[in-house]
Amino acid sequence: DGGITQSPKYLFRKEGQNVTLSCEQNLNHDAMYWYRQDPGQGLRLIYYSQIVNDFQKGDIAEGYSVSREKKESFPLTVTSAQKNPTAFYLCASSIFGGASYEQYFGPGTRLTVT
Amino acid sequence: GQQLNQSPQSMFIQEGEDVSMNCTSSSIFNTWLWYKQDPGEGPVLLIALYKAGELTSNGRLTAQFGITRKDSFLNISASIPSDVGIYFCAGYANAGGTSYGKLTFGQGTILTVHP
Repeated sequence: DGGITQSPKYLFRKEGQNVTLSCEQNLNHDAMYWYRQDPGQGLRLIYYSQIVNDFQKGDIAEGYSVSREKKESFPLTVTSAQKNPTAFYLCASSIFGGASYEQYFGPGTRLTVT
Repeated sequence: GQQLNQSPQSMFIQEGEDVSMNCTSSSIFNTWLWYKQDPGEGPVLLIALYKAGELTSNGRLTAQFGITRKDSFLNISASIPSDVGIYFCAGYANAGGTSYGKLTFGQGTILTVHP
């Protein structure tokens, strides 16, 4: 089955610690995205990558970092510099090029920092 | 930057009723997408629209790409309890360059269906 996996589903960390969220896809998509969702709010773009070894800042990149060493993987690190890290994090992927701009989402990781 | 205004913010309806929600923008979009998000899960793509004026159905769901390319509508007919969730619109403006593929999302419509 093709799809996007995010692990773990729930993550708990102490304030001041960096934490890395995993995102893997086997859809053979070139582009991958990270979004943050706060309660009752829409999706805000953190980082995105159109091809391997390249990525762009989204609207709220401060306090986050990413890498894209493999086409299938796009891990997100929430650093201690992120002031309000507790949120629901969603990873998505899409083809790059062509006429389709449909993004497909993973199940999300809920991060709680205390 | 581009913004999408999605309304209503929330809806409380009885099972069997029809539902309408919409997204509007001051900018032109070339693609409109509608997603549904169940509690604690990732959004699932419901309908994709690529041409102005296009009307597309997916079961009880019907969506339209506004003729001005600045709006889109989603209708759900004969609602059932499993329609509960958050519905998001998303638009793509084909900005090109490093913005290629970036979607703009609406704030979501929270739908509650009473049995």
